[in-house]
Amino acid sequence: AQSVTQPDIHITVSEGASLELRCNYSYGATPYLFWYVQSPGQGLQLLLKYFSGDTLVQGIKGFEAEFKRSQSSFNLRKPSVHWSDAAEYFCAVALFYNQGGKLIFGQGTELSVKP
Amino acid sequence: EAGVAQSPRYKIIEKRQSVAFWCNPISGHATLYWYQQILGQGPKLLIQFQNNGVVDDSQLPKDRFSAERLKGVDSTLKIQPAKLEDSAVYLCASSPGAGMEAFFGQGTRLTVV
Repeated sequence: AQSVTQPDIHITVSEGASLELRCNYSYGATPYLFWYVQSPGQGLQLLLKYFSGDTLVQGIKGFEAEFKRSQSSFNLRKPSVHWSDAAEYFCAVALFYNQGGKLIFGQGTELSVKP
Repeated sequence: EAGVAQSPRYKIIEKRQSVAFWCNPISGHATLYWYQQILGQGPKLLIQFQNNGVVDDSQLPKDRFSAERLKGVDSTLKIQPAKLEDSAVYLCASSPGAGMEAFFGQGTRLTVV
C-alpha cells in the first residue's frame, strides 16, 4: 500500500545545532513530495516541495530537503536550528490515479529546541 | 492573496448533536480537501473535490459525515450525529490542481463531550 513514514515521533535538538528529519515513502512511481510545518493551533504551512529535477530543494526559513530515489527518502535538513523552529513537521506525498491526485501525510515529527 | 478561510475556529458539542464547518478556498483553486487531524497524528484525508465534483471520499464515514462544494467554490462539512471519537481538528485545504501543493486554513477544533 502507498504510504508515508516518519520514523521519529519526537526529536530534541539544541539551538544552533543541525537538524535532519526523516521521511520515507512507499510508491511505485516518482512522487511529488512536500514538507509542511505546523505550529500549535495553526494550520499547515508549506516549507518546500519536490516535483522533478534537482534532487536538493531549498525552502523557506532556511530549510532544505534531498530526494533520494534509491532510498525512497525525502529528508528535511537545516544547518542551524532556531528556537522558533519548534513545531510539528509533516512529510506528504502526492499520489496520482486516474481521476487526478491527492496528498497523504505522514504521522509527523515533533521538534523541540533546547537553549 | 487571501488564504483559505475556515469557520468556526472552535466548536464544542454534545455527542449525538450535529455540527457544520465552512471553508472558503483560495480563489481559482480547483481542488479542495477536507482533512481530519486527531491529536498527535498526521492529517487524514476525508474527502477531495475537483471543482464541485467528489473525486475521493474513500475515508469519509458516510453514515455520519457529509460534504458539499456548491458552485465549485465554498464547501461545508457536516457531522450528524457526532460521536466522541470525532473530536479532532478539521482542516480545509485548497490547491491549484490535484496533487499540487495544498494551502491550509487554520482549522476548526471540534470537541465532542
